Amino acid sequence: DTGVSQNPRHKITKRGQNVTFRCDPISEHNRLYWYRQTLGQGPEFLTYFQNEAQLEKSRLLSDRFSAERPKGSFSTLEIQRTEQGDSAMYLCASSLRLAGGSTDTQYFGPGTRLTVL
Amino acid sequence: DAKTTQPPSMDCAEGRAANLPCNHSTISGNEYVYWYRQIHSQGPQYIIHGLKNNETNEMASLIITEDRKSSTLILPHATLRDTAVYYCIVRVAIIQGAQKLVFGQGTRLTINP
Repeated sequence: DTGVSQNPRHKITKRGQNVTFRCDPISEHNRLYWYRQTLGQGPEFLTYFQNEAQLEKSRLLSDRFSAERPKGSFSTLEIQRTEQGDSAMYLCASSLRLAGGSTDTQYFGPGTRLTVL
Repeated sequence: DAKTTQPPSMDCAEGRAANLPCNHSTISGNEYVYWYRQIHSQGPQYIIHGLKNNETNEMASLIITEDRKSSTLILPHATLRDTAVYYCIVRVAIIQGAQKLVFGQGTRLTINP
């Protein structure tokens, strides 16, 4: 257990429905990342927050995807009008970047597995 | 984006040392090498990272060649629970010093009894 929690762990939905996932990072971590992993592939970067600011979004994050981190603590990832191609494991990671530090280690949660029927 | 090359699969006998190689010939001077592993249906687990010196922690050792173009992750006494996909990652800077992890296909390590 890394201290990063994600809910729900599994989500089955019908095509066209909206879904929302939550990530609770390690409490003092100021950086939060979302990744997506499809079957047989390594995780792919989706977006990154430093505190409450979303600073980077991958081209993988279409207009149907939105992520927030309202108070710089937990984050939510919403997918609107889900498609079958959205079926994947959605992973959250967090890290703590200290002033003057040269690198920071990302710790991953267990992921939310989404199945779109 | 992915700048590492790993063998797709490896086998190792339980109790023996598992040596996982990684090539990163285009690594830049300030890029770290990170290793993660992923056991089936779980999130990636951090193992170790290094810049140019060899590193050791309670999980593994990381040997980086002097020219930094390759590295080897060593699990000194492999157990069945070490069966996983191991990812060697050279971090890619994005913005304000943050770094996204670019995962390749990794090496599927199987520990045999």
